[in-house]
Amino acid sequence: DIQMTQSPSTLSASVGDRVTITCRASQSISSWLAWYQQKPGKAPKLLIYKASSLESGVPSRFSGSGSGTEFTLTISSLQPDDFATYYCQQYNSYSGGFTFGPGTKVDIK
Amino acid sequence: EVQLVESGGGLVQPGGSLRLSCAASGFTFSSYWMSWVRQAPGKGLEWVANIKQDGSEKYYVDSVKGRFTISRDNAKNSLYLQMNSLRAEDTAVYYCARDGGLGPWGQGTLVTVSS
Repeated sequence: DIQMTQSPSTLSASVGDRVTITCRASQSISSWLAWYQQKPGKAPKLLIYKASSLESGVPSRFSGSGSGTEFTLTISSLQPDDFATYYCQQYNSYSGGFTFGPGTKVDIK
Repeated sequence: EVQLVESGGGLVQPGGSLRLSCAASGFTFSSYWMSWVRQAPGKGLEWVANIKQDGSEKYYVDSVKGRFTISRDNAKNSLYLQMNSLRAEDTAVYYCARDGGLGPWGQGTLVTVSS
C-alpha cells in the first residue's frame, strides 16, 4: 500500500504570506496527486488534481507541483479564507486505494 | 446542479449493522467510479472503498475488508455502504464522493458506534 506523509502538520502564517506544504509518497505515483482544503464541519474541497492542474473556480493563488514521490502545494499570498486544513491524496490506482495524507492545519499567526 | 446526498447514519451498538445510502443527481451516475471516504471526529480523511461504474470491481481499505460492502444501483442513481460487525473505531462522518473525491462530495452522514 502507498503511504502518504505531509509536512508540516501545523503551520502558523499571516495574511499575505507565501505558504508551502509538502507531501511525500512512499513510492512513485507519477502525477496522480490531488490537494484538498477542508474547513470545520464541511466536506473537503478539491483544489488541485494531477499534481498541478487547478480545479475550476479555485483562485490562482493556489498552485501545485511535483511528480514521482514529492509534491508541494503553494499559496502565493495567504488570504483570510485560506485558514483551513489541507490534505494531499494519491490516486495511483483504484485497486490500491486512494490514500490521504495526515493533513496540514494552516492557522493564524 | 451536481449533488450527492448521504443518509442512513446514526447510533449503533458495537457488533451491529448499518446501511448508508447516497443519492446522486445532476450527472450521469453510471459513468463514474464512486467512493466512500470517512473522517473520525477530530481526525483526518480516510478512503474506505471504491466501486467501478458497473459494479464489477470493488476495493476496500484493509480495516473494513470482510465487514463493509460497497454497492450501487445505476437505475436509481444510488450508492450504498453496508456496514456489518461495527466497531468503536468505525465512528466517523461518512462521505459519498465521485471518483475518489476528485468530483463532488456529499455533506456526510455521522455514524456513531457506542454502547
